[in-house]
Amino acid sequence: AQSVAQPEDQVNVAEGNPLTVKCTYSVSGNPYLFWYVQYPNRGLQFLLKYITGDNLVKGSYGFEAEFNKSQTSFHLKKPSALVSDSALYFCAVNSGYSTLTFGKGTMLLVSP
Amino acid sequence: EAGVTQSPTHLIKTRGQQVTLRCSPISGHTSVYWYQQALGLGLQFLLWYDEGEERNRGNFPPRFSGRQFPNYSSELNVNALELEDSALYLCASSLRGTTNEKLFFGSGTQLSVL
Repeated sequence: AQSVAQPEDQVNVAEGNPLTVKCTYSVSGNPYLFWYVQYPNRGLQFLLKYITGDNLVKGSYGFEAEFNKSQTSFHLKKPSALVSDSALYFCAVNSGYSTLTFGKGTMLLVSP
Repeated sequence: EAGVTQSPTHLIKTRGQQVTLRCSPISGHTSVYWYQQALGLGLQFLLWYDEGEERNRGNFPPRFSGRQFPNYSSELNVNALELEDSALYLCASSLRGTTNEKLFFGSGTQLSVL
């Protein structure tokens, strides 16, 4: 079985400050890890993914994520938050022969 | 290029009724996925179709069913609706259905069961 945990329901950050949205996973075998973002009344949009290789993955809108195998984590980061980054963020994992499993989501609120 | 389209955008039904949701994938995509997004529960995987066949099914009762047509569009059917079926139903598509591909999501169908 595979699972994803996003320990924070909500993350608050001031505009211009760095942000981190946490994600840990559990999977048998090598993980494929993803981050998606959902804006109000919209479907999910792909941000970035880790398949193999460099542990630091860069994605859309200035976001990046770091894969840490020993800690089974894949935290989403951005050096300088924008108010427009406010949205619901989902971490997801897949392995080998399964379908994508999502976490419960973390609401990011960036204040002006 | 058109994205994943879902219809209808909103539905209101009463307990015990049946509902059909529709999804058209991105042109050229053969895999279609259905997810349920209920408040506070994140996205729960429902069904995966690829090349007209059901490939995987999530932990949902049999009254949740679907199919994929030869043009790769898909339907999700829910029978005997219950109050807890109220949720946003999201459809996604991918090019080949391999595990390392990103999914492209539609905007969803908001189902309210009264």
